[in-house]
Amino acid sequence: KQEVTQIPAALSVPEGENLVLNCSFTDSAIYNLQWFRQDPGKGLTSLLLIQSSQREQTSGRLNASLDKSSGRSTLYIAASQPGDSATYLCADFNYGGSQGNLIFGKGTKLSVKP
Amino acid sequence: GAGVSQSPSNKVTEKGKDVELRCDPISGHTALYWYRQSLGQGLEFLIYFQGNSAPDKSGLPSDRFSAERTGGSVSTLTIQRTQQEDSAVYLCASSPGQWSYGYTFGSGTRLTVV
Repeated sequence: KQEVTQIPAALSVPEGENLVLNCSFTDSAIYNLQWFRQDPGKGLTSLLLIQSSQREQTSGRLNASLDKSSGRSTLYIAASQPGDSATYLCADFNYGGSQGNLIFGKGTKLSVKP
Repeated sequence: GAGVSQSPSNKVTEKGKDVELRCDPISGHTALYWYRQSLGQGLEFLIYFQGNSAPDKSGLPSDRFSAERTGGSVSTLTIQRTQQEDSAVYLCASSPGQWSYGYTFGSGTRLTVV
């Protein structure tokens, strides 16, 4: 059974810190992995999409990496700001056949304190 | 359209009534997903469509739930005889193709059954 696990479930940091969110997946037949942000009461906003042939993607202060061999992806946030406070979810797409081939983690709730 | 559109954004209904939730995906997107998110919880997969067909209905929680998609575009999620436990945010996402370029989410419909 495919699973996506995100650790930690919640994280609180002071403003300005660099931080790493972790995502692990069980199926190495991953096709791509996507990181999303969800603000309270809102839908999901796509942050970064990494294809299986790529090692990382960058957008502004965000950097996402993908290591298929170890089944892990990380989202690095540099110089965190209070506006980064949200829940961050990762999702992997593979050909395992369940749930439309798209499996979500339960998310990491990030709080950045001013 | 420019994004995934869901309507209504909020719906309050009495227990036992039927409700219809609508998702209008990005034009040309062939894959469409429905998820449910209860307060403080992760995403719960409901159903996904490839074109007008639904290869995976495994997430529908009971036979009170049904969904259809017509013309490879708009999808409707119908909940019959609503119960209080159906209260949640219902999210829709679409993608250009099942295997490809990531997923775009709508803002969701918040359903409250009283």
